[in-house]
Amino acid sequence: GQSLEQPSEVTAVEGAIVQINCTYQTSGFYGLSWYQQHDGGAPTFLSYNGLDGLEETGRFSSFLSRSDSYGYLLLQELQMKDSASYFCAVNSGYSTLTFGKGTMLLVSP
Amino acid sequence: DTEVTQTPKHLVMGMTNKKSLKCEQHMGHRAMYWYKQKAKKPPELMFVYSYEKLSINESVPSRFSPECPNSSLLNLHLHALQPEDSALYLCASSGGGIYNEQFFGPGTRLTVL
Repeated sequence: GQSLEQPSEVTAVEGAIVQINCTYQTSGFYGLSWYQQHDGGAPTFLSYNGLDGLEETGRFSSFLSRSDSYGYLLLQELQMKDSASYFCAVNSGYSTLTFGKGTMLLVSP
Repeated sequence: DTEVTQTPKHLVMGMTNKKSLKCEQHMGHRAMYWYKQKAKKPPELMFVYSYEKLSINESVPSRFSPECPNSSLLNLHLHALQPEDSALYLCASSGGGIYNEQFFGPGTRLTVL
């Protein structure tokens, strides 16, 4: 089976940096993905890590350590529009994703 | 066109009704998915279609019946649902590959009375 742990809620102010951690236990692992979901919206893909290390995409970066079964999403220069739920998801076999419970990020002025 | 569309946006049905949810994508993706999402919970995988064949059924009750008429369309037929089936039903598609980036539709908000 699969289990993923991430904090339920994180708060920060505009312009700050925030890190959302994700630990996982899986029976099959190809990589770790991150998705963003605004309230009432659909999940949208943010990033993927298949190998250890840091992937950077604009203000967002994601990190993976396979040996530690750990990853994180780093959001820099936070904006109000970044207030959303963030899900880590394990890419396992058969093109499937298993999602963590999600972290609600609240950005205040 | 990087869009997945879903109809209807909202659906209210009684426990004896039969209804269908529809999903369409024109990205040439060969994998399509149905997820169920309750409020403040993650999406839960229900079904996976790969090359128009059902490849994964996550022990979903038979009152949910998926159908993939062609490579662009995915339906979810609903019959004799229970109030606890009320949720957001999300369709997604993926081109496969190393990222397996999934593109989600906006969802159908289903209420079962």
